Amino acid sequence: AQTVTQSQPEMSVQEAETVTLSCTYDTSESNYYLFWYKQPPSRQMILVIRQEAYKQQNATENRFSVNFQKAAKSFSLKISDSQLGDTAMYFCALGGGADGLTFGKGTHLIIQP
Amino acid sequence: GAVVSQHPSRVICKSGTSVKIECRSLDFQATTMFWYRQFPKQSLMLMATSNEGSKATYEQGVEKDKFLINHASLTLSTLTVTSAHPEDSSFYICSARGDSNTEAFFGQGTRLTVV
Repeated sequence: AQTVTQSQPEMSVQEAETVTLSCTYDTSESNYYLFWYKQPPSRQMILVIRQEAYKQQNATENRFSVNFQKAAKSFSLKISDSQLGDTAMYFCALGGGADGLTFGKGTHLIIQP
Repeated sequence: GAVVSQHPSRVICKSGTSVKIECRSLDFQATTMFWYRQFPKQSLMLMATSNEGSKATYEQGVEKDKFLINHASLTLSTLTVTSAHPEDSSFYICSARGDSNTEAFFGQGTRLTVV
């Protein structure tokens, strides 16, 4: 069975600061995808960033980047220059392709003005 | 990105009745659709995976006779909650994936309240 662990239920930072959300996972698959999703109060799931396990280079999307450590099964999300609109639940997820996703429990990120 | 539309966004039904939730891919053919359930302040849990024209595959612990899934076309999947009870109240979210996609796209979700 696949598992995803997010150990930070809630984090709070000041606007413009950098914040890192942690995620560890476990899977027996050799090829898989890792995702970070944002869920604002509207509850619409928004894809933030995606990493393919066979790619060593860490994915980057504007202010969002990941630190993917395959051997350690770690997949953290770094948000630079945080903005008030970044306030949301963030879920780390594992899977993709023909399989559904396994989600972590989420981290509630609060950006303070 | 691809658009997935889920309807209704909110529904209230009486105990013992059935309610149907629709998930449509608007601009691509969804060969695979996924249904998730999310309890308040909790994570998303995969309920089932459906492929067009095939029977859905349910996750362990999900009652297939209670949560009927139909994926009769490449753009539409439906989830019917049969004989609903208050404990079925939850947020249900679908996602859809086409053959050329490595990711699945999410619908807006449906908040079901059973009274």
